[in-house]
Amino acid sequence: IAGITQAPTSQILAAGRRMTLRCTQDMRHNAMYWYRQDLGLGLRLIHYSNTAGTTGKGEVPDGYSVSRANTDDFPLTLASAVPSQTSVYFCASREQGARNSPLHFGNGTRLTVT
Amino acid sequence: GQQVMQIPQYQHVQEGEDFTTYCNSSTTLSNIQWYKQRPGGHPVFLIQLVKSGEVKKQKRLTFQFGEAKKNSSLHITATQTTDVGTYFCDGGSQGNLIFGKGTKLSVKP
Repeated sequence: IAGITQAPTSQILAAGRRMTLRCTQDMRHNAMYWYRQDLGLGLRLIHYSNTAGTTGKGEVPDGYSVSRANTDDFPLTLASAVPSQTSVYFCASREQGARNSPLHFGNGTRLTVT
Repeated sequence: GQQVMQIPQYQHVQEGEDFTTYCNSSTTLSNIQWYKQRPGGHPVFLIQLVKSGEVKKQKRLTFQFGEAKKNSSLHITATQTTDVGTYFCDGGSQGNLIFGKGTKLSVKP
């Protein structure tokens, strides 16, 4: 079934540890995005990539990094986790160039930093 | 910077009552998309509006795009418990995606 796969589903992480959230899509979408969702704050864009090999900063990029080595994968890395990064993280993709195309979301990763 | 404001933040209704959420932008939008997120789930695309004054319907849901393309609304007629969730608008301008904070709908049976 085509779509976006995120891993892990949930994670409890000690502060200061490094963590990579994985995101893979099989729809050949060029554009991919990472959002975090916190109660009362909605969906906030962390980083995005319009095509393989390029990335850009979103609204809340500090403390996060991304890479886009190929079309399918868009991992999000927390170099040194802090409690304020406790959140639900969603990866999304859409067809690049078709500015009106809808976003497809993964099931999310629930991260707790202690 | 560009902002998309969504109101209300929360709405509690009795089953059978109508519900409306509004999305307002500080700048003109090229298009607007609406998403629904069920509790514990991920956002799912509902519809896209592109034209000024556009109105689209999906069963009990009516979506409108303002004449100036700066605001939009989602109206649900005769809510059901299956309508529970958070509704987000996503405004696009020059390719950027700006989500509203969402309206969380609860329906009392």
